[in-house]
Amino acid sequence: NAGVTQTPKFRVLKTGQSMTLLCAQDMNHEYMYWYRQDPGMGLRLIHYSVGEGTTAKGEVPDGYNVSRLKKQNFLLGLESAAPSQTSVYFCASSYSILAGGYNEQFFGPGTRLTVL
Amino acid sequence: GIQVEQSPPDLILQEGANSTLRCNFSDSVNNLQWFHQNPWGQLINLFYIPSGTKQNGRLSATTVATERYSLLYISSSQTTDSGVYFCAVRDSGTYKYIFGTGTRLKVLA
Repeated sequence: NAGVTQTPKFRVLKTGQSMTLLCAQDMNHEYMYWYRQDPGMGLRLIHYSVGEGTTAKGEVPDGYNVSRLKKQNFLLGLESAAPSQTSVYFCASSYSILAGGYNEQFFGPGTRLTVL
Repeated sequence: GIQVEQSPPDLILQEGANSTLRCNFSDSVNNLQWFHQNPWGQLINLFYIPSGTKQNGRLSATTVATERYSLLYISSSQTTDSGVYFCAVRDSGTYKYIFGTGTRLKVLA
């Protein structure tokens, strides 16, 4: 089991460019989450999904869009990148019905994004 | 929304010392996790502990949900314990997880 994987690991963008971050999980989890972590800070929730085809806003959703077309994948999009979006982005998944509703979150390795 | 506070914000220990980290939360929660973020940025699951006490080697954790706090105990600390320790709670009315600001631990050899 790979767990939670994120692509890419690093990316540098220029202001105004767009990109998509991919998160994939192989644990058959229902819930998936995108967080950002700024230097010296905790993680803040951007968007989350409680099932295939559903998404919802977290604490800091502005400037981001998400999609969950397949249960195992959760995509985070930046339509017009800004320097304020320079951060480390973490994806997480949780909640397996087959495991009796166990709801522990598991995290991917992160994507370090720099916007110039 | 729910507030999560961790204390102390910073901690420096000599190798072999014991420590207690605290996580307070402002409202009822139905999940609580402790994580260790190592110096390479990786988030490592320590405990999934909505209530009660768990132990894993030199680490143990206790959550008293009715009093809205959780404690993480580190005994006989090692330099590899250095990093940032986060607690995260899930607001019982939503699916959202809220992270504390962390305790930054440095263990000196």
